[in-house]
Amino acid sequence: KQEVTQIPAALSVPEGENLVLNCSFTDSAIYNLQWFRQDPGKGLTSLLLIQSSQREQTSGRLNASLDKSSGRSTLYIAASQPGDSATYLCAVIGGGSEKLVFGKGTKLTVNP
Amino acid sequence: GAGVSQSPRYKVTKRGQDVALRCDPISGHVSLYWYRQALGQGPEFLTYFNYEAQQDKSGLPNDRFSAERPEGSISTLTIQRTEQRDSAMYRCASSSPRTSGRRADTQYFGPGTRLTVL
Repeated sequence: KQEVTQIPAALSVPEGENLVLNCSFTDSAIYNLQWFRQDPGKGLTSLLLIQSSQREQTSGRLNASLDKSSGRSTLYIAASQPGDSATYLCAVIGGGSEKLVFGKGTKLTVNP
Repeated sequence: GAGVSQSPRYKVTKRGQDVALRCDPISGHVSLYWYRQALGQGPEFLTYFNYEAQQDKSGLPNDRFSAERPEGSISTLTIQRTEQRDSAMYRCASSSPRTSGRRADTQYFGPGTRLTVL
C-alpha cells in the first residue's frame, strides 16, 4: 500500500527566505506526482505535476523535483512571501490507478 | 471558465439522516473523483468515474456510501444513515485524461462540502 510522508509538518520562515518542502513515498512505481496548495475554506490548487519520466518542473518561484527510484520529491520555493502561507500537499498516482494518495501536508507560515 | 463546484458548501445534519452531496465538474472533463479529508490529514480517495462508469469504489468506507454520475457530468455522493464519524470535508475533483491523451492528468479540486453530523 502506497504511503506518502511529508516533512516537516509545519514550517515558519521570515519573508524572503528560500525554503524546501519534502515528500517521500513508499512505492516507487508511480505514474506522476502532484504538489497542491490548500488555503483555509478553499479547495486544493494544483501547483505542479511531474510525470514519472521527468526529473523536475518549474512554475514561477516554484520548482519541484522527483527522484522516483529513491521515492522522494522536493518543492523549492524561492524568495518566499506572506502570500505563500498555506498548507502544501504532495500526492502520487500509482502505476495501476488513477486515484491520488496524499501526504498529510506541510503548513507553511511566511512572516512579514 | 468555471472550475469545479460543489454544493452545499456546508451541511449540518442529525445522526441517522441521509445526505446528498453534489459535484459539478469542469465542463468536458471525463473523470470525476471523490475524496474525504479529516482535519489535519490529506484527502483520502473514495471513488471515481470515467464518464458515467464508476471505475473504482474501493475507498468507500462501507455500504452506507454510494455515488453516481448518471449522465457523465454531475455526480452525487450519498451517505445514508449518517454517523458522527462521517463528519469531514468531502472534496470532488475532475480531470480529462482521455482528451489529453495521458492516463492520469492534473486533478482540479472544488471547494469542498463540510459535513457535520450531530
